[in-house]
Amino acid sequence: GAGVSQSPSNKVTEKGKDVELRCDPISGHTALYWYRQSLGQGLEFLIYFQGNSAPDKSGLPSDRFSAERTGGSVSTLTIQRTQQEDSAVYLCASSRAGANVLTFGAGSRLTVL
Amino acid sequence: GENVEQHPSTLSVQEGDSAVIKCTYSDSASNYFPWYKQELGKRPQLIIDIRSNVGEKKDQRIAVTLNKTAKHFSLHITETQPEDSAVYFCAAGGSQGNLIFGKGTKLSVKP
Repeated sequence: GAGVSQSPSNKVTEKGKDVELRCDPISGHTALYWYRQSLGQGLEFLIYFQGNSAPDKSGLPSDRFSAERTGGSVSTLTIQRTQQEDSAVYLCASSRAGANVLTFGAGSRLTVL
Repeated sequence: GENVEQHPSTLSVQEGDSAVIKCTYSDSASNYFPWYKQELGKRPQLIIDIRSNVGEKKDQRIAVTLNKTAKHFSLHITETQPEDSAVYFCAAGGSQGNLIFGKGTKLSVKP
């Protein structure tokens, strides 16, 4: 596609429910990144995929968070048993091989009640 | 892992003045240092980047300097304009790897 697409744009859920956030990167981009941005805060790294290599999961805050990237393209970030502190905007970005110039999606705003 | 510190967290300048934002990083293996601008309600966008083989790079009113020995790099905006108001993020990482961002600087340019 022309840009990085994320869905849903907004998600309101109840504490304890599981949520899935989807990212569709720019076609041909081999690297995919997930970041979390809490209200007025910085970009907190979560996970990074590069081609067929093992992902860098060092930023995942707890074992309730996981992410997959199927077929080297679409990625899903899953948050199990959501907590109120998980409320944030989850940003996905992608980049071409050999250059980590990130193109960001519009983000998925998650609100946990 | 990499850790990036960014200062100041907020910066207010008069239109036409210069603005400087500073960042330090911890991992000496990092060799790529981009700056992103995020306007209110929008996604971050790359405005300038520098790689470790150069010490300075300019693009019109924006410049970035890098001191690898001290592990710090800075963004300089000259002749600031109201449309420069935004949150600016620095980042550090490898040329093909993960990017770690600073916590951001909210720049306000007063007309």
